[in-house]
Amino acid sequence: SYELTQPPSVSVSPGQTARITCSGDALPKQYAYWYQQKPGQAPVLVIYKDSERPSGIPERFSGSSSGTTVTLTISGVQAEDEADYYCQSADSSGTYMAWVFGGGTKLTVL
Amino acid sequence: EVQLVESGGGLVQPGGSLRLSCAASGFTFSSYSMNWVRQAPGKGLEWVSYISSSSSTIYYADSVKGRFTISRDNAKNSLYLQMNSLRDEDTAVYYCARDGGTTWGQGTLVTVSS
Repeated sequence: SYELTQPPSVSVSPGQTARITCSGDALPKQYAYWYQQKPGQAPVLVIYKDSERPSGIPERFSGSSSGTTVTLTISGVQAEDEADYYCQSADSSGTYMAWVFGGGTKLTVL
Repeated sequence: EVQLVESGGGLVQPGGSLRLSCAASGFTFSSYSMNWVRQAPGKGLEWVSYISSSSSTIYYADSVKGRFTISRDNAKNSLYLQMNSLRDEDTAVYYCARDGGTTWGQGTLVTVSS
């Protein structure tokens, strides 16, 4: 089955830039989406279609794509950004593009 | 306000059944495909099932195929997940989510245990 690979953890100091990668063979053909999830809360969409930012999401969140890797960048990280981040794309190998999630990356703000 | 609210979770024995509901408000529910996604305790997100806006197209993850049934009632702005033959590994928080990922419910906890 199709898989998306993320690093388990990323650590940065406040004010620095955090980059979280997500790799998958189908990413050149399918959009990626990024979700932020804080403990006990539902996921929140922070990036859609590789690089688009939903309304209400701070400008410090951005997304990019290069080949089989997509990257979520958080510039000027703040303490409130500490959370789990999941990439999501579509498995186009079957008849339906089922949602596929990466394993998640825990962002720690030192 | 666009909102999804799940209900119906609880404790059930292995082999038992449970029906989850998801009430939608603040948007035209009948225009959107919907999904169920679950998250086992301390684990990542796992897609469970998809239903198109008219219910004409339905898909399931292999892990639940044959045991779970997704449905919707557009007149009631509601999405459902009938879960039968539940297993320990089905223990999770179950979220309903609008296609596109912009809107998620707060989740409902399903615990399968004897």
